[in-house]
Amino acid sequence: DIQMTQSPSSLSPSVGDRVTITCQASQDISNRLNWYQHKPGKAPKLLIYDASNLETGVPSRFSGSGSGTHFTFTITSLQPEDIATYYCQHHNSLPPMYTFGQGTKLEIK
Amino acid sequence: EVQLVESGGGLVQPGGSLRLSCAASGFSVSGYYMGWARQIPGKGLEWVSVIHSGGSTFYADSVKGRFTISRYTSRNTLNLQMNSLRREDTAIYYCARAYNINYYARFVYWGQGTLVTVSS
Repeated sequence: DIQMTQSPSSLSPSVGDRVTITCQASQDISNRLNWYQHKPGKAPKLLIYDASNLETGVPSRFSGSGSGTHFTFTITSLQPEDIATYYCQHHNSLPPMYTFGQGTKLEIK
Repeated sequence: EVQLVESGGGLVQPGGSLRLSCAASGFSVSGYYMGWARQIPGKGLEWVSVIHSGGSTFYADSVKGRFTISRYTSRNTLNLQMNSLRREDTAIYYCARAYNINYYARFVYWGQGTLVTVSS
């Protein structure tokens, strides 16, 4: 099975800071990686699909990059409403496979 | 408008069974990739099960052999039959739908979630 290693597990940035989260796959997954935002009591929200595609309606301060085994998620200027836990998620079509990373919890300093 | 409304959560004893339903409106469940994810208290997100539009299914190792995903096209619902429930299955369960037929993993539509508590 493919393992996803996400880091760091938590961050305490300030408003306006640049935030970077990384996700490492145990083997080449091409661009089969999504990024989700999850706030307590809310449904998960897809931000980035297929490594670098910004989901419709998501602010442009969010971005994703990478391919193969190393992926990066960036918030260019952190806003108070961005406080949440962020997850990378590997996916595969055949056979179907969906695996979340361990998550990165953001708390504003 | 796409809407997903989960139901069927509640308190169940270890070893018991529960059936979750996700009522869909604004589209047909048979034409889309759909699935269930869960948030375990104090832990991260986990994809529990996904059914592809062609019928292929995915199950997390933690639920394989105990949970079954299915679609009831006549009622336009997605279901999750959960058997042999364990305390570690306690979670908020979310129903989700992919963007369209071309994206098997682009889950942009989500329900509000239903809480399952497994406890004696």
